[in-house]
Amino acid sequence: KQEVTQIPAALSVPEGENLVLNCSFTDSAIYNLQWFRQDPGKGLTSLLLIQSSQREQTSGRLNASLDKSSGRSTLYIAASQPGDSATYLCAASSGGGTSYGKLTFGQGTILTVHP
Amino acid sequence: EAQVTQNPRYLITVTGKKLTVTCSQNMNHEYMSWYRQDPGLGLRQIYYSMNVEVTDKGDVPEGYKVSRKEKRNFPLILESPSPNQTSLYFCASSATGNQPQHFGDGTRLSIL
Repeated sequence: KQEVTQIPAALSVPEGENLVLNCSFTDSAIYNLQWFRQDPGKGLTSLLLIQSSQREQTSGRLNASLDKSSGRSTLYIAASQPGDSATYLCAASSGGGTSYGKLTFGQGTILTVHP
Repeated sequence: EAQVTQNPRYLITVTGKKLTVTCSQNMNHEYMSWYRQDPGLGLRQIYYSMNVEVTDKGDVPEGYKVSRKEKRNFPLILESPSPNQTSLYFCASSATGNQPQHFGDGTRLSIL
């Protein structure tokens, strides 16, 4: 059974810092790895999706990498801003067979960026 | 506007009274999924659907039913709700199972 772990559970940084959020998964047979953002009282917003054949994806100040062999993904946020404050979740999509489409989430990292 | 719509947004009900949470998407997406979010347990997948008439269990399907008779709708049915199903529920859709998911705003269910 896939297990996804996110470290750290919470992070507080001053505005302008570059930061890294970590995600690890136990079963490397993934179809893709997704990063989401959740604001309080809201649904999730997709940030980046990395296919199993890819090593990284970039969107603006965000860069996500994937290392299937080590079971790790990182989300890099450059020049953090107070508006980046939210909970960040990673999720691993199981690949192949009848489990295709199954998504397992980590517990999330609560990010606070203070001015 | 592309969106995933869940109804109701909030519901307080009693044990054993059947209820349905509706989910509708207007993006012609093939893939749809239901999740529940609980403090300390995070988001867990209940059921998902790869396409019309194709559904499969997630990690916590017990006590829930789903159907996918048409592409746009994916209702979540609680035949006999119990207090341990009190939770925040999210529906999501994507073009395929390998595309970014769009989430609804959530349904907060309280079962007394």
